[in-house]
Amino acid sequence: EPEVTQTPSHQVTQMGQEVILRCVPISNHLYFYWYRQILGQKVEFLVSFYNNEISEKSEIFDDQFSVERPDGSNFTLKIRSTKLEDSAMYFCASNGGQTISGNTIYFGEGSWLTVV
Amino acid sequence: QKEVEQNSGPLSVPEGAIASLNCTYSDRVSQSFFWYRQYSGKSPELIMSIYSNGDKEDGRFTAQLNKASQYVSLLIRDSQPSDSATYLCAVNPDLGAGTALIFGKGTTLSVSS
Repeated sequence: EPEVTQTPSHQVTQMGQEVILRCVPISNHLYFYWYRQILGQKVEFLVSFYNNEISEKSEIFDDQFSVERPDGSNFTLKIRSTKLEDSAMYFCASNGGQTISGNTIYFGEGSWLTVV
Repeated sequence: QKEVEQNSGPLSVPEGAIASLNCTYSDRVSQSFFWYRQYSGKSPELIMSIYSNGDKEDGRFTAQLNKASQYVSLLIRDSQPSDSATYLCAVNPDLGAGTALIFGKGTTLSVSS
């Protein structure tokens, strides 16, 4: 069964450092997302990406965040200068998007980011 | 602000019982609704989606949708200890394909053997 894959599964970084989280969405999907989940809290939307540009973003997705699809398969989230409060599980997700019944979002296993 | 509300629980049921999980949403134009299961430290896993008013059954799971009341629920029949997890309700707030889902905080279910 096709799946969304993410790397790394866990990363520890020092405050102020840049981090890049990588994702390979399901191959024929059109929409890509990043969500995050701080420990014990709800899953929060960060950004969606379609046709090589950001289609939607939340208030959380400020100037320290950026996304990129550098080639035909990878989708990355960059955090420029990490803060302690960026410590969270980051989920990549993708969506085929063809019809309302196909508008289902599938999640990767997540990248756990710890900022120290 | 568009909100999805769930009782955080924990909801405790004995093995074999029916577990009933509820969710309300604030945006009346929401069109599609999803239930995800999340085990501790893992990613959300899709259980069911529902788009039309009424019931939708899939194995031991039944999703119920009432758009007039802005309410969606998930029933789990013959609950098993392996069903113990957090159940996330998610809502697509508009008609657009690819619109990001809004999640509730989740209800923690504990099934005792």
